[in-house]
Amino acid sequence: AQSVTQPDIHITVSEGASLELRCNYSYGATPYLFWYVQSPGQGLQLLLKYFSGDTLVQGIKGFEAEFKRSQSSFNLRKPSVHWSDAAEYFCAVGEGTNFGNEKLTFGTGTRLTIIP
Amino acid sequence: NAGVTQTPKFRVLKTGQSMTLLCAQDMNHEYMYWYRQDPGMGLRLIHYSVGEGTTAKGEVPDGYNVSRLKKQNFLLGLESAAPSQTSVYFCASSYSPVRGFFTDTQYFGPGTRLTVL
Repeated sequence: AQSVTQPDIHITVSEGASLELRCNYSYGATPYLFWYVQSPGQGLQLLLKYFSGDTLVQGIKGFEAEFKRSQSSFNLRKPSVHWSDAAEYFCAVGEGTNFGNEKLTFGTGTRLTIIP
Repeated sequence: NAGVTQTPKFRVLKTGQSMTLLCAQDMNHEYMYWYRQDPGMGLRLIHYSVGEGTTAKGEVPDGYNVSRLKKQNFLLGLESAAPSQTSVYFCASSYSPVRGFFTDTQYFGPGTRLTVL
């Protein structure tokens, strides 16, 4: 069964500093990978997704993620965070090739706090 | 364009009561989903629908029923609420699958916070 691990429950970063959020997945075949962001009191918004091809994926709001098959990782990065980036971030993996049997599994999330 | 809307935003129920959560989308999306979000557990899929008149079970369907009588609406029902159903419920929709229902971007509603006493 597929699974997603986000090892960091809470991360605090200074505004303007770089950010990396970790995501490790477990899945036998080539995974479909996603990063979502959830601002307080809001629903989830897709930041970026990886299906195939270039392993470095660009997303919205200046985020990028790199798929590393050898490490089963899909870490999210941003070179310089802004106070508005404070939110909860979820990594997710999709599996299934038979239509109707697909499943999207979410990690438990990483809460990001930005300090001035 | 309102996107995905959910009603109500908050609700408190007593054990054994019933209620229906309404999800509406105005993007002409084919697929709709109901998730629950619990602390430390991420989101889990309850039920989903691949089109008007269709529904299917997700990861945690027990205790819930759904209906998709109109393309734009997806209803989640709790027939006899239990404290274990205290959670935040999210609805999402997506246009159509390329290779599976999750490959297309899912758009989420703002959530319904449900407490069962």
